[in-house]
Amino acid sequence: KQEVTQIPAALSVPEGENLVLNCSFTDSAIYNLQWFRQDPGKGLTSLLLIQSSQREQTSGRLNASLDKSSGRSTLYIAASQPGDSATYLCAVRTGANNLFFGTGTRLTVIP
Amino acid sequence: EAGVAQSPRYKIIEKRQSVAFWCNPISGHATLYWYQQILGQGPKLLIQFQNNGVVDDSQLPKDRFSAERLKGVDSTLKIQPAKLEDSAVYLCASSTPLAGDYNEQFFGPGTRLTVL
Repeated sequence: KQEVTQIPAALSVPEGENLVLNCSFTDSAIYNLQWFRQDPGKGLTSLLLIQSSQREQTSGRLNASLDKSSGRSTLYIAASQPGDSATYLCAVRTGANNLFFGTGTRLTVIP
Repeated sequence: EAGVAQSPRYKIIEKRQSVAFWCNPISGHATLYWYQQILGQGPKLLIQFQNNGVVDDSQLPKDRFSAERLKGVDSTLKIQPAKLEDSAVYLCASSTPLAGDYNEQFFGPGTRLTVL
């Protein structure tokens, strides 16, 4: 069974710092990997989707990488801002079109 | 383009009561998902529909949970009777069944259920 782990569980950084969030998964037979943002009391907003054939995706200050063979992904956030404070979830999609989610990293960017 | 709509946004009930949640997916999205997200955990898939048929309900506690999507558009998730451990956010998502490995799911705002 696919298991997704995110480290660290919580992270606090001063504004302007670059940071990396980590995601690992046990079964490398995935179709794609998505990074989501979740604000308190809100649903999930998709940030980046990396297909299994890709190594990375970029959107603005966000860059996500995927190493399928080692079961790892990272989300890099450049020049962090207080508005980036949220919980970040990664999820891998298997052949059954299920999304298996990690438990998330709660990010706080301190002004 | 309107997003995934869910109602109600919040619900508080006592244990052993019944509750129902409603979801309207993005127009044209044939696939609909219900997820349960317990506090501090990632969402867990409960059931997946393709049009009005069930694709996967292997993690749905069928003794108390039921879901339907009769006309292949909006969907209802019901819990009867509710237990304390059902307190969670219930998320609805939808996607288009595109060929290949690209199939992004779009999520609604969720319904936060508190069982007392």
